[in-house]
Amino acid sequence: EVQLVQSGAEVKKPGESLKISCEISGNSLRKYWIAWLRQMPGKGLEWVGLIYPGDSDTRYSPSFQGQVSFSFDKSISTAYLQWRSLEASDTAMYFCARYDTAMAFDRWGQGTLVTVSS
Amino acid sequence: DIQMTQSPSTLSASVGDRVTITCRASQSINGWLAWYQQKPGKAPNLLIYKASSLESGVPSRFSGSGSGTEFTLTISSLQPDDFVTYFCQQYNSSPYTFGQGTKLEIK
Repeated sequence: EVQLVQSGAEVKKPGESLKISCEISGNSLRKYWIAWLRQMPGKGLEWVGLIYPGDSDTRYSPSFQGQVSFSFDKSISTAYLQWRSLEASDTAMYFCARYDTAMAFDRWGQGTLVTVSS
Repeated sequence: DIQMTQSPSTLSASVGDRVTITCRASQSINGWLAWYQQKPGKAPNLLIYKASSLESGVPSRFSGSGSGTEFTLTISSLQPDDFVTYFCQQYNSSPYTFGQGTKLEIK
């Protein structure tokens, strides 16, 4: 059974950098993408983008293009979401999820809460 | 971008009731629609994919239907655990977009 386990909550100041992780275990990722999604406090879900573990091909939502970046370390089956310079508006829960082209987001991590405050 | 409009935003019902949530897409999504359930403080959980396919392990009281631009999620007999929030999502084309959510409340 596949599991996605995310890194713990982070508290950062505006302008700081951050990298959060999502470790995938239990199953082959050969035909799946890994997605990142954002949920701001009390709000709905937004798709940030996708990364394909096989070759690190990435797709970004236009709303997030240039604001974040993805990477994947095959040796430890871990996906990363990174910011170079955080803003207060980045405060949110971030989820990773397995994306299947037929089944959408079928497995989810538990979420990482990112708080950006001076 | 494809806009997803979910209604109602809040639904009051009782245990045992049958309820329906509607999701409308701003253009045809060829049936590539998913429904998720989200409990407070937890990650969403996939209920339905491809508009009407029940995810493994999801109770059969949940069902999905629809085509083109209009889709529904029906819960045939509400259980206490069902009074949480539901989202629809299209994955026909990028950027993949979600409805704003429906919160199911106990009447």
